[in-house]
Amino acid sequence: EVQLVESGGGLVQPGGSLRLSCAASGFTFSSYWMHWVRQAPGKGLVWVSRINGDGSSTSYADSVKGRFTISRDNAKNTLYLQMNSLRAEDTAVYYCAREVITAINNWFDPWGQGTLVTVSS
Amino acid sequence: DIQMTQSPSSLSASVGDRVTITCRASQSISSYLNWYQQKPGKAPKLLIYAASSLQSGVPSRFSGSGSETDFTLTISSLQPEDFATYYCQQSYSLPRNSFGQGTKLEIK
Repeated sequence: EVQLVESGGGLVQPGGSLRLSCAASGFTFSSYWMHWVRQAPGKGLVWVSRINGDGSSTSYADSVKGRFTISRDNAKNTLYLQMNSLRAEDTAVYYCAREVITAINNWFDPWGQGTLVTVSS
Repeated sequence: DIQMTQSPSSLSASVGDRVTITCRASQSISSYLNWYQQKPGKAPKLLIYAASSLQSGVPSRFSGSGSETDFTLTISSLQPEDFATYYCQQSYSLPRNSFGQGTKLEIK
């Protein structure tokens, strides 16, 4: 079964740091682009960051650029998101998702169950 | 950047109703359009990819159509488990601004 399981969320003070993990199983992890998408309470889905299969290419939403770093360990089948200088507006459920790329389209499937990050003093 | 606009933002309907949700792209995205369902407290789930292809395991009452800038998600006969929030996503120019704002489908 293809599965993604996030961990590492929690309560952190403004200006603090947190590292999220996403453990993948059931597929060849290194063959896929992986993404982080977040959802603030009661709001919609917002893309955060992505990384290619070997970790050599990354990109970020403007709102997190310079503060967040995406990485992966293909030997451990794990995706990471290092979040520094956290702000109240970073409070959200963070999802990891696998990007499936075909000749006709790309899509995100599956998604992890999400991990809640709360930035508050 | 491509902007995705869904309508309506919310919708009340009854079990058995036929429901249509619309997603409009700010520029042509061919058929690079996906639909996701999200239930409260759960992760999004892929329903439709490439505008009209049904993901494996998704009931056939769900269907998608459209191309270029205008797309629709149709539920032919609403079931109790279909009450959720639905998001469209353009994959023509990933990843920025890829999601619509969502349509919350509520029970009337």
